[in-house]
Amino acid sequence: EIVMTQSPATLSVSPGERASLSCRASQSVSSNLAWYQQKPGQAPRLLIYGASTRPTGIPARFSGSGSGTEFTLTIRSLQSEDFAVYYCHQYNNWPPVYTFGQGTKLEIK
Amino acid sequence: QVQLQESGPGLVKPSETLSLTCAVSGYSISSGYYWGWIRQPPGKGLEWIGIIYHSGITYYNPSLKSRVTMSVDTSKNQFSLKLSFVTASDTAVYYCARHGDTAAVDYWGQGTLVTVSS
Repeated sequence: EIVMTQSPATLSVSPGERASLSCRASQSVSSNLAWYQQKPGQAPRLLIYGASTRPTGIPARFSGSGSGTEFTLTIRSLQSEDFAVYYCHQYNNWPPVYTFGQGTKLEIK
Repeated sequence: QVQLQESGPGLVKPSETLSLTCAVSGYSISSGYYWGWIRQPPGKGLEWIGIIYHSGITYYNPSLKSRVTMSVDTSKNQFSLKLSFVTASDTAVYYCARHGDTAAVDYWGQGTLVTVSS
């Protein structure tokens, strides 16, 4: 099983600033990595797939980078609605054994 | 607009079988993609349970494989999850989901809380 490790567990950032969230895989997942945002009481929402591609409707302030084992989600100019928990998700295996990171909570500083 | 909706009992007794169904609207399961289940224990992270294709091909999380069965009913455009011999550690919000073109989850159900308790 590929283990996904996210850091930090909690990140405190002021509105308007930039946040960088990290995700590390225990072995290479190529670019088969997604990021999700989850707010309390809601299902996760897809933000990034293919390590760096935003689905239609996701604001440009969200960007993803990395490949192999090291990935970063960057959120520029944080808005109030961006404070949430973020998960990375690898979908590289075949046959599939997909795994998620444990999450990073982005909180208001 | 693709929509997924979970349904099933919110309370299951220990050692019994958890059964959930996901009704899909706005897209025909027969048209493709993998459909699956992901769960989230209260206050914790996400755990991938498994996926199913419209042909009935399934792939399960090895840690749950001995207890999980997924099925699909294309005539009703829905798919189902059964998890046997449940314990308190199976208490979680269960989400049904669609794995899109790249296998990332592009559509999620709203989630349903299943509590295992006597």
